[in-house]
Amino acid sequence: SQQGEEDPQALSIQEGENATMNCSYKTSINNLQWYRQNSGRGLVHLILIRSNEREKHSGRLRVTLDTSKKSSSLLITASRAADTASYFCASGSARQLTFGSGTQLTVLP
Amino acid sequence: GAGVSQSPSNKVTEKGKDVELRCDPISGHTALYWYRQSLGQGLEFLIYFQGNSAPDKSGLPSDRFSAERTGGSVSTLTIQRTQQEDSAVYLCASRRLAGGLGGELFFGEGSRLTVL
Repeated sequence: SQQGEEDPQALSIQEGENATMNCSYKTSINNLQWYRQNSGRGLVHLILIRSNEREKHSGRLRVTLDTSKKSSSLLITASRAADTASYFCASGSARQLTFGSGTQLTVLP
Repeated sequence: GAGVSQSPSNKVTEKGKDVELRCDPISGHTALYWYRQSLGQGLEFLIYFQGNSAPDKSGLPSDRFSAERTGGSVSTLTIQRTQQEDSAVYLCASRRLAGGLGGELFFGEGSRLTVL
């Protein structure tokens, strides 16, 4: 079974709105990572949050981590059409980073 | 190299044929991973290399799948006697350091395999 599961599976918003995606995981983690994938491309790393961190910011991205609930959220503020992509959380060990099934974000111009 | 390079980018083959997919990781990256992604799905872990050794092969779906890595660099994923269910995008990723607490993976663009 997937270590990480994102919800919602699909999200459609207007340009300028904020987008929030959630991820749940099953086992203990050292860190949790978020990746982005444009259609037909490879994945690109967005942000990593360590297990002893609760919140992290990078530009328009904000990630939170709640280890007691084994969950994380990714917030994209002031979304742009170019943010349209699939977003995946990834967790696990150095040997096996397990990815969820992803959230497909569509930002309408 | 500047990034992770995979070849071929597209491969169409007939059922029963063998295929070989190649991955050139970023120079100096010790850890290398293979994943499989079916259409519209998440990533399925296949195998992890630490240098030339593969401590974790748990994700290989069957004995038709094998992978090797030579010189701590290039890796090949071989699928023997391909089946239609092998059709997917095969993604390779590398990471600078193996072991430890883990960290950012750098992905290639993938090899899209279609088995007719």
